[in-house]
Amino acid sequence: EVQLVESGGGLVKPGGSLRLSCAASGFTFSSYNMNWVRQAPGKGLEWVSSISSSSSYIYYADSVKGRFTISRDNAKNSLYLQMNSLRAEDTAVYYCARDRSLGGATSFDYWGQGTLVTVSS
Amino acid sequence: SYVLTQPPSVSVAPGQTARITCGGNNIGSKSVHWYQQKPGQAPVLVVYDDSDRPSGIPERFSGSNSGNTATLTISRVEAGDEADYYCQVWDSSSDHQVVFGGGTKLTVL
Repeated sequence: EVQLVESGGGLVKPGGSLRLSCAASGFTFSSYNMNWVRQAPGKGLEWVSSISSSSSYIYYADSVKGRFTISRDNAKNSLYLQMNSLRAEDTAVYYCARDRSLGGATSFDYWGQGTLVTVSS
Repeated sequence: SYVLTQPPSVSVAPGQTARITCGGNNIGSKSVHWYQQKPGQAPVLVVYDDSDRPSGIPERFSGSNSGNTATLTISRVEAGDEADYYCQVWDSSSDHQVVFGGGTKLTVL
């Protein structure tokens, strides 16, 4: 059974940093592109970042470029999101999600349960 | 950047057919994916590549895509279908951005 479990969320002050983790199991993690998607309270889904299976290709939404860094450790079956210079508008539930096909650039077929990040003084 | 436009809400009686649209410039040239999200839960993929269904998704869910509009159709709507629905595409023309529509709240009357 495919499982994605996020952790690392919490309350942080504006300008602060946080590192999210996503532990994957039930599939060959190293073969799949992975993604972070967020959802602000009461709002819609917003894509944050994507990383290819071997970390060769990395993409960011303009809203987080230069502040967030996506990475992965295939030996540990884990995905990460380092978030720096956090702003109030980064407050959201952060989901990790798997690309449906090995070729990437497709849909997201498995999602974690999400971890809440709150940026507030 | 590429924009996907969805109606904020759609209402339908049980047993009827719901159609949720997703508008975008020449969206027919892209692959469109649809997600269902119920309150407090993670999104679930219900249609991918315009019209394919993941395993476990009822045949009542179908999709189409042409011109400037993609459509998610839910036949014989049930109370359990009440949820938010989002369309999504990859916009390879702008540094490989993933784009979501704003979401549509489906209400079953």
